[in-house]
Amino acid sequence: GENVEQHPSTLSVQEGDSAVIKCTYSDSASNYFPWYKQELGKRPQLIIDIRSNVGEKKDQRIAVTLNKTAKHFSLHITETQPEDSAVYFCAANAPYGGSQGNLIFGKGTKLSVKP
Amino acid sequence: EAGVVQSPRYKIIEKKQPVAFWCNPISGHNTLYWYRQNLGQGPELLIRYENEEAVDDSQLPKDRFSAERLKGVDSTLKIQPAELGDSAVYLCASSLDLSNSPLHFGNGTRLTVT
Repeated sequence: GENVEQHPSTLSVQEGDSAVIKCTYSDSASNYFPWYKQELGKRPQLIIDIRSNVGEKKDQRIAVTLNKTAKHFSLHITETQPEDSAVYFCAANAPYGGSQGNLIFGKGTKLSVKP
Repeated sequence: EAGVVQSPRYKIIEKKQPVAFWCNPISGHNTLYWYRQNLGQGPELLIRYENEEAVDDSQLPKDRFSAERLKGVDSTLKIQPAELGDSAVYLCASSLDLSNSPLHFGNGTRLTVT
């Protein structure tokens, strides 16, 4: 089945710097890759997603890139702000059988943005 | 629109006791998921429903866990008896359908088993 690896597990940046979080997936048939942000004690919230028919997607300070050949995708946050501090999870869909459509999550990256 | 609603928010029980969690998905969302999130980890799927049918329960520990989604709307997840290792946050999520629609999560139920 699908396996998602996420790096780094923790990331500390200075306010205004960029942050990059990387994920790899195992099943080349996966075609949907969302990113979720989870603040302490709160629900995971979708911040951006990308489908396999595009290589990059942007939404203001957030962008996601996808390399299907290498089976990895990355989250880029520019001009980081203290309110970006949270745990970020990547995910990939399981493409086959009874698990089709299920999201497999990475273990998360704790991002700390220092003022 | 109202989001996914879960209750209770917190639950503390002694081991071997039963516990139940309730979820009300976003109106019109046919697909409902129960995830378990251990501390410092990503959510892990327990069971997925399409309307009232459980279409993937392969990761549900069926000896002690059970779930139902009567009438294809609200859902309950039950653990009986609870074990110390069941301490986690139990997240419910819903989506419009299976075509890679975004998942909307509830706030979760934080279970502590003592």
